[in-house]
Amino acid sequence: GAGVSQSPSNKVTEKGKDVELRCDPISGHTALYWYRQRLGQGLEFLIYFQGNSAPDKSGLPSDRFSAERTGESVSTLTIQRTQQEDSAVYLCASSPSNRAANTEAFFGQGTRLTVV
Amino acid sequence: GNSVTQMEGPVTLSEEAFLTINCTYTATGYPSLFWYVQYPGEGLQLLLKATKADDKGSNKGFEATYRKETTSFHLEKGSVQVSDSAVYFCALRGGSARQLTFGSGTQLTVLP
Repeated sequence: GAGVSQSPSNKVTEKGKDVELRCDPISGHTALYWYRQRLGQGLEFLIYFQGNSAPDKSGLPSDRFSAERTGESVSTLTIQRTQQEDSAVYLCASSPSNRAANTEAFFGQGTRLTVV
Repeated sequence: GNSVTQMEGPVTLSEEAFLTINCTYTATGYPSLFWYVQYPGEGLQLLLKATKADDKGSNKGFEATYRKETTSFHLEKGSVQVSDSAVYFCALRGGSARQLTFGSGTQLTVLP
């Protein structure tokens, strides 16, 4: 079956422009996560969605970052007025449920964002 | 809050060498522990996990034992192969946090 799909795979944008990143989770997965991976660094949590519950936005670094998800389907991560420090790989993951601590998360291949 | 400290890389080994990548963690309660691997050009994928103290996770010849007394989850493999070249991430989920908390990753290169 299909895994987590992210698009675009690469995005180059000018400083100050807005960008929108897309994530298609595995069908039936109720939990969805966004992470950021800067060059040579670990994964930084941004936001997660669990079903129709209010999302946990505690990892969003500034109000320029926002994300949406309708039900248990596609999610979009939007970065407004991009800055050079936003350059990173943005990873999306989904899991069948977030309620058990041992639940595996399945990752997409990421979107590499470069702000010039 | 939760945190993961991982052995810094890069690590370069010859084929058939023994591998250890250290991972220690800070968390409240009893977290679940994971090792994820990222092969070149691919997304992160779960390598192994352990959900309670003294559990041993294993897969593809890799092993890691959940040590609560030392808050560690070190990754080991007795004989590495060139195909094991990848970035390895230690991670945990537990307490009130629902997201995975990751270490900084360790780049492993295995030379023939």
